[in-house]
Amino acid sequence: IAGITQAPTSQILAAGRRMTLRCTQDMRHNAMYWYRQDLGLGLRLIHYSNTAGTTGKGEVPDGYSVSRANTDDFPLTLASAVPSQTSVYFCASSGTANTGELFFGEGSRLTVL
Amino acid sequence: GQNIDQPTEMTATEGAIVQINCTYQTSGFNGLFWYQQHAGEAPTFLSYNVLDGLEEKGRFSSFLSRSKGYSYLLLKELQMKDSASYLCAVTDSNYQLIWGAGTKLIIKP
Repeated sequence: IAGITQAPTSQILAAGRRMTLRCTQDMRHNAMYWYRQDLGLGLRLIHYSNTAGTTGKGEVPDGYSVSRANTDDFPLTLASAVPSQTSVYFCASSGTANTGELFFGEGSRLTVL
Repeated sequence: GQNIDQPTEMTATEGAIVQINCTYQTSGFNGLFWYQQHAGEAPTFLSYNVLDGLEEKGRFSSFLSRSKGYSYLLLKELQMKDSASYLCAVTDSNYQLIWGAGTKLIIKP
C-alpha cells in the first residue's frame, strides 16, 4: 500500500527552468493539497483541489500552477523557477476537505540556484 | 489576521512528561489537529479535537478549550523517539487549515 507518492525526492534546478513535482495517491481521496515548508515557518498552502476537475489557490500560489485531471494525480508546476522557491514541498490528501486527517507524501526537496 | 502560536523549542528528559501549548486566533473554529514530524520526514497525524476536553490516545493526550482559544499536547513516559517537531493546526470557519510553525521537542537521556 503506497498511500501518497511524490517525485522527485530531491532536485537541484537552475533559475528560469520549468519543473513539475508529481504527486499520486491510491486512497481515492477527494481532496489534495500542495504545501511548502520553510525553516521557522508553518506549512503554507500553495494550491488545493477539493475534488477531481477543480482547483483553488492557497496562501502562496504565485509562481505555481496545478491540475487535477483525475482523482489520483495532482502535479505542481513551477513555470520559471526562482531562488525563493527553494523549499521542501509536501503533497497531502484527505477524504474530506480540511475536516479530515491529512496524509502526507514524503516530500520533495527543491533547490533553485 | 489568523494566528497560531506555539513555543519554538522545548527540552525534556527521557521518561518524563511534557506539555506543548498552542494558542490560536482564527476566524471561526472547526477543529484542531496535532501532527508529529520527525526531522527530514513528512508530518503524521496524532490527534483531532473539536469539542472541549481531553482526548487520550496511549502516551499522548490532547486538550482543547474553545473559549480560551487554547490547546495542549501532553506526552507521557517520554522516549528518545519522541524527539520531533509537533505541529498545531486549526480549521477555520471556511474550513481552511491554518498551521502553527511547530514546536521542536528535544529529548535528553
